[in-house]
Amino acid sequence: AQSVSQHNHHVILSEAASLELGCNYSYGGTVNLFWYVQYPGQHLQLLLKYFSGDPLVKGIKGFEAEFIKSKFSFNLRKPSVQWSDTAEYFCAGKSLAAGNKLTFGGGTRVLVKP
Amino acid sequence: GAVVSQHPSWVICKSGTSVKIECRSLDFQATTMFWYRQFPKQSLMLMATSNEGSKATYEQGVEKDKFLINHASLTLSTLTVTSAHPEDSSFYICSARQGGGEQYFGPGTRLTVT
Repeated sequence: AQSVSQHNHHVILSEAASLELGCNYSYGGTVNLFWYVQYPGQHLQLLLKYFSGDPLVKGIKGFEAEFIKSKFSFNLRKPSVQWSDTAEYFCAGKSLAAGNKLTFGGGTRVLVKP
Repeated sequence: GAVVSQHPSWVICKSGTSVKIECRSLDFQATTMFWYRQFPKQSLMLMATSNEGSKATYEQGVEKDKFLINHASLTLSTLTVTSAHPEDSSFYICSARQGGGEQYFGPGTRLTVT
């Protein structure tokens, strides 16, 4: 069955540190991958998405993610975080073969200390 | 960008009663709407998918008689939790999509059953 897994449940780091959140998927065929962010008390927002083409995807707020097909991974990165990046981050994926339904990873809570 | 609203944002009901949650796409026609459930500190779990004018498709383990979904128009879907129990207390999130496009998420509804 299709699934998305995130390696870290909690990450704590200081401002200006670099961030990398792991995400692995298990889909066959063509896969669409997403990273969403949920700030405290707010709804899910799309950070970036990968459908095809350049495996390095640039998103909003300085985030980027790299699709590595051989590793079934789609890790999220940001070179220098800010306190305002404190949020929960969700990796998600879908494929036509799996009914085109978005499946979410378990989420990673990121706390950026000022 | 596209906006999805939910009402109410927060509801408390007594055990045994029913509660209805509305999901509206404010500036686009949502041919498909999704209902998710999010337990504290956990990820979003898809409950059901509904296409306008047809019956909802429920995920395995979700009781269709307990969680009634109606997608009567292209801008409105409702989720009714019938005979609510304390274990139904959760955060319910809807999302909407036009055709095969991006999914937009509502802000969620926190249900507490006493």
